[in-house]
Amino acid sequence: EVQVAESGGGLVQPGGSLRLSCAASGFTFSSYAMNWVRQAPGKGLEWVSTISGSGSSTYYADSVKGRFTISRDNSKNTLYLQMNSLRADDTALYYCAKEMTSGIQPYFDYWGQGSLVTVSS
Amino acid sequence: QSALTQPASVSGSPGQSITISCTGTSSDVGGYVSWYQQHPGKAPKLIIYDVSNRPSGVSNRFSGSKSGNTASLTISGLQAEDEADYYCSSFTSSNTLWVFGGGTELTVL
Repeated sequence: EVQVAESGGGLVQPGGSLRLSCAASGFTFSSYAMNWVRQAPGKGLEWVSTISGSGSSTYYADSVKGRFTISRDNSKNTLYLQMNSLRADDTALYYCAKEMTSGIQPYFDYWGQGSLVTVSS
Repeated sequence: QSALTQPASVSGSPGQSITISCTGTSSDVGGYVSWYQQHPGKAPKLIIYDVSNRPSGVSNRFSGSKSGNTASLTISGLQAEDEADYYCSSFTSSNTLWVFGGGTELTVL
């Protein structure tokens, strides 16, 4: 059974840092791109970042570029999101999402339950 | 402002059918679209991929289609358990790899 589970969220002051983790199981982790998607309270979904299966390619939304770093440890089946220079508008539930493709276009086939990040003084 | 445009809310009575639209551009919806269902306090769940394909275990009351740069999600035989938020999403050919619609709140009357 495929499972992804986020951890590491919490309350942090503006300008601070936090690292999220996502533990994956039930699939060959290194074969799939992984993503972070966030949802601010009462708002919609927003793509944050993607990393390829090997970890050699990374992509970021403009809103986090230069502040967030996505990485993965395929030996530990774990995805990370290092968040620096946090701002109030980064407050959100952060989801880890596994990417799948049928060969036509990718989509998110499994999501974790999310990890809440609150940026406030 | 979301990259893909969805109606903020739709409603229907049990047993009826409803359709949720998702409008984008040739760079996103012009390709392929996926749809996600999110119940309050829960994680999103994939219900449609590649415009019209259902993952295993998803009810065949859910169907997807596309015309030009507008995709649609239809739910037939509405049930109380269908009450949720629905999001469309597309992989893009721009630096913003993924875009989502703003979400549609479905109310079953």
